[in-house]
Amino acid sequence: EVQLVQSGAEVKKPGESLKISCKSSGYSFSTYWIGWVRQVPGKGLEWMGIIYPGDSDTRYSPSFQGQVTFSTEKSINTAYLQWSSLKASDTAIYYCARQLNGVPNFDYWGQGTPVSVSS
Amino acid sequence: QSALTQPASVSGSPGQSITISCTGSRSDIGTYNYVSWYQHHPGKAPKLIISEVSNRPSGVSNRFSGSKSGSTASLTISGLQAEDEADYYCSSFTSSSTGVFGTGTKVTVL
Repeated sequence: EVQLVQSGAEVKKPGESLKISCKSSGYSFSTYWIGWVRQVPGKGLEWMGIIYPGDSDTRYSPSFQGQVTFSTEKSINTAYLQWSSLKASDTAIYYCARQLNGVPNFDYWGQGTPVSVSS
Repeated sequence: QSALTQPASVSGSPGQSITISCTGSRSDIGTYNYVSWYQHHPGKAPKLIISEVSNRPSGVSNRFSGSKSGSTASLTISGLQAEDEADYYCSSFTSSSTGVFGTGTKVTVL
């Protein structure tokens, strides 16, 4: 069974760093892209970007380029989303999702990680 | 990359059919047959219900169907049921090799 399990809710202050995780199981981690999707409270889904664990190829949406960093650790089938300096506007739910190589849609999703940034 | 344009809300009575539009441009929907649709119940993970314009993943009800004409894609829900009440998002591949979601449509079953 394919599963993507994300790390738990985070409460941070502006300027702090953060790294959230997404652990995959039930499929070959290196042969599917992992995507990240943001949902700000009361707003819609936003496509942040994708990373290919096989070679760490990444595609960032222009809106998120330079604002976040994607990474993976193949030995533990885990993808990461990180911020070096959080802002209040980063408050959102962040979802990871799996994308088949060559078919740009997300077929399996994690449960979401709520991130709250407030002073 | 601007979000694809969807109506904010669509409603229908049980058993009726409704259609949600998703308008993009030649940089996305107009060029690529990589349009997906997702159903999102608040508090849960989004669910893929249509891929590549009109393909239904295994296990998705055949009451959901997708189509595309030019730069506009559409999702039709036939035989509307109470459980279909949710937010729906379209998504497309873009010429930048990235993706983009639609603005989202809240479906209400009257």
